[in-house]
Amino acid sequence: EIVLTQSPGTLSLSPGERATLSCRASQSVSTSFLGWYQQKPGQAPRLLIYATSSRASGIPDRFSGSGSGTEFTLTISRLEPEDFAVYYCHHYNTAPLTFGGGTKVEIK
Amino acid sequence: QVYLVESGGGVVQPGKSLRLSCAASGFTFSRSGMHWVRQAPGKGLEWVACIYYDGSNKYYADSVRGRFTISRDNSNNMLYLQINSLRVEDTAVYYCAKTPTYNVYNRFDYWGQGTLVTVSS
Repeated sequence: EIVLTQSPGTLSLSPGERATLSCRASQSVSTSFLGWYQQKPGQAPRLLIYATSSRASGIPDRFSGSGSGTEFTLTISRLEPEDFAVYYCHHYNTAPLTFGGGTKVEIK
Repeated sequence: QVYLVESGGGVVQPGKSLRLSCAASGFTFSRSGMHWVRQAPGKGLEWVACIYYDGSNKYYADSVRGRFTISRDNSNNMLYLQINSLRVEDTAVYYCAKTPTYNVYNRFDYWGQGTLVTVSS
């Protein structure tokens, strides 16, 4: 099983600031099979990024993904009020699929 | 517009069984891999199970294998999760999610709103 470890657990930032979220895998993950989701309280997760760096439909370009091997990053270039949420990385290469523990981006 | 609507959750006693359903619409259900994901209160996401587009293959998380059964009815655009021998630690919101292709090993492009299962005596 591939374990995904996200850091930091909580990120306290102000609107307009840049957010950098990390996802470390316990073994190498193909870039084709790593994604990111956003979840707001009381809502289902929403796909943001797939295949490491491809934005899902309707996702603004302030969201970007990068990485390879065991290190992946989600960057939000300038935080908007609606971006304060929990973010999960996800590998879908093989079963069991796994999620990271999440990073909460909160308003400072 | 894609819709995934879960139902069947509720309060159940430990050791009992429950069947969750997910009604799909707005896409060709028979051409999509499908998944169940759960989220315990205040916790992160946990992948539970998946099923191929034609039901030919199924995979489970170790934590549920042997107690949970995933199935689908392509003629009625329905996904199911049969949960037996419920445990307190199965308490969670259960989401169904689809992939954009036949392959289960793909991103989850749409999710339902979830159904809450509470296991308590």
